[in-house]
Amino acid sequence: DAKTTQPPSMDCAEGRAANLPCNHSTISGNEYVYWYRQIHSQGPQYIIHGLKNNETNEMASLIITEDRKSSTLILPHATLRDTAVYYCIVRPMMNYGGSQGNLIFGKGTKLSVKP
Amino acid sequence: DTAVSQTPKYLVTQMGNDKSIKCEQNLGHDTMYWYKQDSKKFLKIMFSYNNKELIINETVPNRFSPKSPDKAHLNLHINSLELGDSAVYFCASSSRDSYGYTFGSGTRLTVV
Repeated sequence: DAKTTQPPSMDCAEGRAANLPCNHSTISGNEYVYWYRQIHSQGPQYIIHGLKNNETNEMASLIITEDRKSSTLILPHATLRDTAVYYCIVRPMMNYGGSQGNLIFGKGTKLSVKP
Repeated sequence: DTAVSQTPKYLVTQMGNDKSIKCEQNLGHDTMYWYKQDSKKFLKIMFSYNNKELIINETVPNRFSPKSPDKAHLNLHINSLELGDSAVYFCASSSRDSYGYTFGSGTRLTVV
């Protein structure tokens, strides 16, 4: 079962920042927060991950609260091509063997970017 | 240049048939996976395969069997196909030090 809670859907105006929240109140000390997205009819795509510090890459920024119980994915200037389902997932970074490290998807947030 | 490639992209077949979906990755990853995405869009892991260790999701019927001829390939064989097997199947790969999983573009299986 997914260990995260996300709103089922969100809208964002094109060119504005999209802020996608995620609650993960039962996250363990060795678990990272990962974000993936799935654009319609494509395979899921890795976006970003973090442990406790804020992270930024060319796609997005990840803000993790100090208690690590929630995080926010920020797309600074959303475009129509960012319309997708966004998944927040917690898991250990390394695959320790067995099923512990497997990527378990929840229902995600369907982000609609509108012109 | 495709990192994880699946074939075929579309597969339409009759109930009771046996079919295979192929997956190949050129990333040098040591673990491969199969996921199933049903009509409600839930993505569920079916198998993970790392060298000689196969982890099976207990909800997967034994009609489904992964076959790995080498580290770069993990094929999915399905016996006696049923209507409920209709879904999109995604292959993925990762390694111990990779940031995340790399997914293929999916195989849409339709059983009629």
